[in-house]
Amino acid sequence: AQSVAQPEDQVNVAEGNPLTVKCTYSVSGNPYLFWYVQYPNRGLQFLLKYITGDNLVKGSYGFEAEFNKSQTSFHLKKPSALVSDSALYFCAVRDITGGGNKLTFGTGTQLKVEL
Amino acid sequence: GAGVSQSPSNKVTEKGKDVELRCDPISGHTALYWYRQSLGQGLEFLIYFQGNSAPDKSGLPSDRFSAERTGGSVSTLTIQRTQQEDSAVYLCASSSGLGRSYEQYFGPGTRLTVT
Repeated sequence: AQSVAQPEDQVNVAEGNPLTVKCTYSVSGNPYLFWYVQYPNRGLQFLLKYITGDNLVKGSYGFEAEFNKSQTSFHLKKPSALVSDSALYFCAVRDITGGGNKLTFGTGTQLKVEL
Repeated sequence: GAGVSQSPSNKVTEKGKDVELRCDPISGHTALYWYRQSLGQGLEFLIYFQGNSAPDKSGLPSDRFSAERTGGSVSTLTIQRTQQEDSAVYLCASSSGLGRSYEQYFGPGTRLTVT
């Protein structure tokens, strides 16, 4: 089965500093990877995806992610964090096991950006 | 354009009662998904509809859960004889089902509380 792991429950960073939220994956075949963000009492918002092509993927709100096949990682990054980036971030992988088509999510990482 | 909508936003029900949760996907999206988000279990896939194909029900936790999608658009998730462990946020998502547009767009969710 496909899976992703987010090793950090929480990441704290000062506003203006770069941020990284980590994700590693375990898949058979080519990975289709996604990042979503969830603000309090809201649904999940799509940030970016990696399907194929360039290893550096750019997404919404200035976020980007780097696909690293040798390290089986797909870390989310932003060069300069904002307080408004504080939210819950989920990494996900497309899982077509059994002919289905679903997203399997990591456990989430709470990002806190402080002044 | 309009995103995925869900109703009700909150539902409180007594143990043993049946509940129906509704999802309106993005217009034109052929794929529709239900997920459940709870503190103990994280984000779990429940069921997936794609066009006129038979749904992938592999994530439904028990036979008390069922879902239908009428006319290829609106979907209803039904939970019969609710139990306290059914308390969670139920999220609906849709995707276009075209090409490599695998990203899913989520609604705001229905928070279900079983007392």
